[in-house]
Amino acid sequence: KAGVTQTPRYLIKTRGQQVTLSCSPISGHRSVSWYQQTPGQGLQFLFEYFSETQRNKGNFPGRFSGRQFSNSRSEMNVSTLELGDSALYLCASTRDRGQEEKLFFGSGTQLSVL
Amino acid sequence: AQSVTQPDIHITVSEGASLELRCNYSYGATPYLFWYVQSPGQGLQLLLKYFSGDTLVQGIKGFEAEFKRSQSSFNLRKPSVHWSDAAEYFCAVGAGYGGSQGNLIFGKGTKLSVKP
Repeated sequence: KAGVTQTPRYLIKTRGQQVTLSCSPISGHRSVSWYQQTPGQGLQFLFEYFSETQRNKGNFPGRFSGRQFSNSRSEMNVSTLELGDSALYLCASTRDRGQEEKLFFGSGTQLSVL
Repeated sequence: AQSVTQPDIHITVSEGASLELRCNYSYGATPYLFWYVQSPGQGLQLLLKYFSGDTLVQGIKGFEAEFKRSQSSFNLRKPSVHWSDAAEYFCAVGAGYGGSQGNLIFGKGTKLSVKP
């Protein structure tokens, strides 16, 4: 069974550009969450999607957005990139939304903003 | 506000020695607590979790953790560390609305180095 797949693995952008990151959850998983990991702030929750609907949102500016498709694949978009957006972006999936569910993480997309 | 504190940024232990990683949390209700491990350039892997019941929980790779409500702690332990345990360890509390585990609050992590 394939794990959570994130593409691309590495990405280099310049300030002001926008970027789209992709996440394919484990087959059968319907919930996808996104996290930003930086050395200074650590792991911070971005948003969670379940059945194409955003269920939770972290404390990030509106430049960060996401969506989930009917096949549970998810994308997140960051517009007007800033240097501080350089981070490892991790996607995680669970089969369902309950607290008993186990969260599976992908290896992440390393975004560098120059 | 919910928060997780891992007081130790970096710990070095000798192979075969015991290990304890500290975690303190702040959460209004009964917490859902987790320990994750991250190897360099990789995502996070769940080691163990506490939802309710027995306060001593067993996880994968020989790890265990004890929930102490009076101390707001959830420390991770391993009796004998192996070189392959070198990684970064994250404690987390579930903050999900409506019971979702998708929204976790993480500590800043403890990097574990293992001396041969």
